[in-house]
Amino acid sequence: EAGVAQSPRYKIIEKRQSVAFWCNPISGHATLYWYQQILGQGPKLLIQFQNNGVVDDSQLPKDRFSAERLKGVDSTLKIQPAKLEDSAVYLCASSLVGGTITDTQYFGPGTRLTVL
Amino acid sequence: EDKVVQSPLSLVVHEGDTVTLNCSYEVTNFRSLLWYKQEKKAPTFLFMLTSSGIEKKSGRLSSILDKKELFSILNITATQTGDSAVYLCAVGYYNTDKLIFGTGTRLQVFP
Repeated sequence: EAGVAQSPRYKIIEKRQSVAFWCNPISGHATLYWYQQILGQGPKLLIQFQNNGVVDDSQLPKDRFSAERLKGVDSTLKIQPAKLEDSAVYLCASSLVGGTITDTQYFGPGTRLTVL
Repeated sequence: EDKVVQSPLSLVVHEGDTVTLNCSYEVTNFRSLLWYKQEKKAPTFLFMLTSSGIEKKSGRLSSILDKKELFSILNITATQTGDSAVYLCAVGYYNTDKLIFGTGTRLQVFP
């Protein structure tokens, strides 16, 4: 079974520029998550989708971050404009159904963003 | 505020040693505790624990949960250099798929 795919793997931009990340979850997985992992910290949930609907975006900085999952499959996360503190690894994860006690999140390889 | 605390932050051992990683939590509406291994970027799933006192085992790795004392341990016996990674502990909630992660324990195993 193919895993969670993400691109690009690395991105370097200057502050105030825009950037977009793409994620394709495991086939058939209804739930998709975007996490931000700052160096030396654990992943922090930014947004969770169930199919094409947003379940939780309480920690998404909505003034600069946006995400969509229009057809309920792949997803994009955008930052506009980027700040220095956005430098982090952005991880995408998916789970089969979501909300069940045995469900497990599977992570993609991540995108390492450096903002100069 | 809900939190997950892991200790130690960093651990350096030699091959063959046994290590114990700790995870304590203060979370309302606790449902499950998960352990992940993060080598390069993608965390890979190790265990999910939901019941106290029941050990989960996979090869040289084992883990147990104490819901009364609000902690879990991850044991790795006969460590190998391939065990070098960051080990993340996460807690899941009832009625949501949200996970809250600890900062991780960085394990380095030298030959």
